Amino acid sequence: EVQLVQSGAEVKKPGESLRISCKTSGYSFPIYWINWVRQMPGKGLEWLGRIDPSDSYTNYSPSFQGHVTISSDKSISTAYLQWNSLKASDTAMYYCARRHASGTDAFDVWGQGTMVTVSS
Amino acid sequence: DIQMTQSPSSLSASVGDRVTISCRASQSIGIYLHWYQQIPGKAPKLLIDTASSLQSGVPSRFSGSGSGTEFTLTISSLQPEDFATYYCQQSYITPPTFGQGTRLGIK
Repeated sequence: EVQLVQSGAEVKKPGESLRISCKTSGYSFPIYWINWVRQMPGKGLEWLGRIDPSDSYTNYSPSFQGHVTISSDKSISTAYLQWNSLKASDTAMYYCARRHASGTDAFDVWGQGTMVTVSS
Repeated sequence: DIQMTQSPSSLSASVGDRVTISCRASQSIGIYLHWYQQIPGKAPKLLIDTASSLQSGVPSRFSGSGSGTEFTLTISSLQPEDFATYYCQQSYITPPTFGQGTRLGIK
């Protein structure tokens, strides 16, 4: 069974750093891009960026470029989303999602989400 | 970025009703349009990709159609478990963008 299991909820202060994880299993990790999607409280879905785990090539939304970093570790089939300096406006649920096997850039398998709360 | 606009933003319906949700793209996206269902407190679930391809395990009461800029998601006979928020998403051009969502509630 294909699974994406994300790390647990985080509570941080503005200016702090954070890395959340998305551990995958049940398929060959290098073959499928991993995407990150944000959902602010009560709001819709926003794409942050993606990584090709085979070579760590990344794409970012212009809205998030420079504020987040996406990385991966093939040895443990895990992708990461990182902030160096959190803002209160980063408070949201963050999902990792696998690129569809067909290559159409639909997201066919999702993690359960990681809630990030940034508050002083 | 390509703007995706869903209509309506919310609707109320009854079990057994036929429901249609529309999604319009700000430019032509071919058939690179996908539909998701999100139940409160859960991650989104892919229902349909490339406009009309039903995902494995998704009930056949769900269907999708359209191409270019106009797309629809139809639920032929609403079931209690279908009350959720539905999102469309384009993947024709990076960045992928989502519609604002359609909240389907019980009448």
